Formats: sequence, structure tokens, C-alpha cells
Amino acid sequence: KAGVTQTPRYLIKTRGQQVTLSCSPISGHRSVSWYQQTPGQGLQFLFEYFSETQRNKGNFPGRFSGRQFSNSRSEMNVSTLELGDSALYLCASSLVLGANVLTFGAGSRLTVL
Amino acid sequence: AQTVTQSQPEMSVQEAETVTLSCTYDTSESDYYLFWYKQPPSRQMILVIRQEAYKQQNATENRFSVNFQKAAKSFSLKISDSQLGDAAMYFCAYRSSLITQGGSEKLVFGKGTKLTVNP
Repeated sequence: KAGVTQTPRYLIKTRGQQVTLSCSPISGHRSVSWYQQTPGQGLQFLFEYFSETQRNKGNFPGRFSGRQFSNSRSEMNVSTLELGDSALYLCASSLVLGANVLTFGAGSRLTVL
Repeated sequence: AQTVTQSQPEMSVQEAETVTLSCTYDTSESDYYLFWYKQPPSRQMILVIRQEAYKQQNATENRFSVNFQKAAKSFSLKISDSQLGDAAMYFCAYRSSLITQGGSEKLVFGKGTKLTVNP
């Protein structure tokens, strides 16, 4: 059974550009959430989707957005990139809400120059 | 808002020995869940163990066990018979009950403890 797949694994962007990251959950999983991991701030919750609806959103500026498609795949977008957006972006999925167990992907490493 | 504190940025242990990682949390809720996740250099977060706050019995998964002290808001992880493959970052995480969070599964993480296993 395939795990949570995140693409791309690595990417480099320059300030002012935008980036889109993709997450394919485990087959059958309907809940997807995103986290940003940096050395300074640690792991911070970005947003969570269930059945194409945003269930919760973390304390991030409006430059960060996301969506979920009918097949449960999710994308997150960051516009007008800043140096501080350099981070590991982790996606996690779960079968249904309340499953208690999030399965994480290997992340997308974003470097902003 | 809930907070999770891991006071040990780094720990080391000899192979086959036992090590305990500390975690404290702050919450006013009575119903919640606690987790330990492991993140090896491959970056993928792996669930190690979980504890439901309403259960008094400490969770155990093979060589991993927790000491859950609800009144003290403490949730430590004990790794017995440490192996080289246990070397990783370990994160303690908190999740409110679904009812409290309106169905959200949002996790609040500690800053992590880097565990080194010496041969």
C-alpha cells in the first residue's frame, strides 16, 4: 500500500515567486493536513482538509493557501515567497476524522533564495 | 492555546541501554490525545506511540513505553534496549478531542529531542 506521496521532494525558488506543493494521501484517506517545519519555529500547523473543505487553518499569512480535490489529493500554494518561507513542508493523511493516527509523507524541502 | 515542551534538545544513549525522553504540556482540557513521533534523517515522521488521556494505563509498543502523569501534565517516552536505528529526532505532540476542535485533527508539537545512539 503506497504511503503519503509529496512532490516535489526538493525545490529552489527566488523571492517573489510562487510555489505549489502536492500531496497524494494514502488510498482511501479523506483527511489531509499540512505542516511547516523550520529549525527556529519547529513544526507548525498550516491547514487541514476533509472532503474538499478546509476544516482548520493555522496562524499563517494569506500568502499560504491550499485546496483539496475530489480524489482527496491536496495542494498548497505559497505566493510572493520570502526568505523565511524556506522550510520542510510536511503533509499527513488519515482515514477519517478521529482516526487518531496521522501518516506523514517525506516532505517537500523548499529553499527560497 | 495548548503548548508542548521538550526540555532536552539532545540526548544520547549507549546501544542496548535505556533512555527516557521528557515532555510536558499545558492544557485546560480534560479529554485529549498525546503522541510521540520519530523523524529519522529520511525526514518522514513515524508514529511511535499514542496515549488517550482518559486511559490511566500507560501505552506500550514493544521497546517503547510512556509514563503518562495526567495531573502533572507529563508524558515521557522510555526506549528500552536502544538500537542504532532508534537514532532520530523525537517529537511529542498534543491533540485536542475532536469535539473541542470541531473535528480537526490538528497536532501541536514540541521542539523535539535529538537522540543519538552510540555503538
